[in-house]
Parts: sequence; C-alpha cells; structure tokens
Amino acid sequence: QKEVEQNSGPLSVPEGAIASLNCTYSDRGSQSFFWYRQYSGKSPELIMFIYSNGDKEDGRFTAQLNKASQYVSLLIRDSQPSDSATYLCAVTMNRDDKIIFGKGTRLHILP
Amino acid sequence: DGGITQSPKYLFRKEGQNVTLSCEQNLNHDAMYWYRQDPGQGLRLIYYSQIVNDFQKGDIAEGYSVSREKKESFPLTVTSAQKNPTAFYLCASSIGRSTGNTIYFGEGSWLTVV
Repeated sequence: QKEVEQNSGPLSVPEGAIASLNCTYSDRGSQSFFWYRQYSGKSPELIMFIYSNGDKEDGRFTAQLNKASQYVSLLIRDSQPSDSATYLCAVTMNRDDKIIFGKGTRLHILP
Repeated sequence: DGGITQSPKYLFRKEGQNVTLSCEQNLNHDAMYWYRQDPGQGLRLIYYSQIVNDFQKGDIAEGYSVSREKKESFPLTVTSAQKNPTAFYLCASSIGRSTGNTIYFGEGSWLTVV
C-alpha cells in the first residue's frame, strides 16, 4: 500500500458546485494532514491543515479527517474556474516525521 | 520579507556534470526538505534535515547529495550519477518536529539535461 494515495483525476466539476477531493494514508499514527494547491509550473501553496478528527472550515474550503478510517478529504464549495489546479494531500509520518505527498488530484472547474 | 529562496530558477546541465541548487530560508525553521517533481507527477522526497549538521535520505536519494552547515541553507547537488535529472526541484522548510509541522515551499528550480 502506498503511503499517501489520491485519485489522479481529472475531476470535472461545474462552476458553483461542490468539489470533493479524497486522500487515504497508511501510517495509522500520523498526526498532521495538509492540503496544497498547485497551479501548473508553480510551487504548491498551503490551503489548509487539520490535526483533529472532524471538520475544519476556512471560507469555501472544508477539510475532513477520519483517523479511524485513515482518510482525509477536502471540500470546495461554490467552485470557481480559478480553483482549477492540482490538489496535493500531505501527511506527516508518525514513525520518522517525514512529510509525504500524494500524487495529487487534477481538478477542472467547468465554466 | 520572510521566505524560502531557491536559485537558479532555470538550470541546464550537460551529461556527466554536477550541478548545485541553492536553497536559503529566513523563517528560522529547523527542518528543510528537497523534493523532486516530474511532469504530471507528485512530489518525491530526496533528502531532509531536521537539524544543522544532520540529514536523512528520502525515497529517491541516489545520485543526489546535500549539506546542512547552516540553519538557513540546504543546498542540493545533482551528481553525474543521477541518470535522469530533468525535473522540477522544490525546496521546503518547516518549524520541525511537532504536530502542526506545516511545510512551506520555495518557488522551485527547473533542471534540464542538454
């Protein structure tokens, strides 16, 4: 099993709808989880981090964490064309503090 | 301004040549990282350092070397042993060992073999 897994997409969502991005991880002891957005040719930028089970909201973004099931998700409400990018899930491994990234999900918002 | 500075932004390497990518941070972060990204792919960890004068191999360290002589600096050398070095290289830093160890990236360096 890969350490951090994401569906590569592309995920196509109509403008104004909710985009749902998912990520699973293998290290049950992991404590810190991050979502980054990366535009083509640019470096990743942090959108949100989450450490506790449940939901965390920031504007149009909501991160959801379920440690028992080892998954973390990102919801984007009222999707905009500017949200079209690759979204990277990152997890801090408990055993050695390495931060491991998934391969990313390409999101395409349809105008 | 606080941040992470990578240089050069674009670099061309000839076959058999070693090249060094610079990474400097003024965020007072303890931990620094190097990732490689190939087109359409995710980030793969090359090396990371949690403290000065110490560093660990990541998942794809072969053909690369690093040093951490100063807290602010973590240069990456791509050696001739790295047979397929063309990629986007990202340097990052974080405060270190703790929950909430958010990682921040530099703008990246594009390396092309010619």
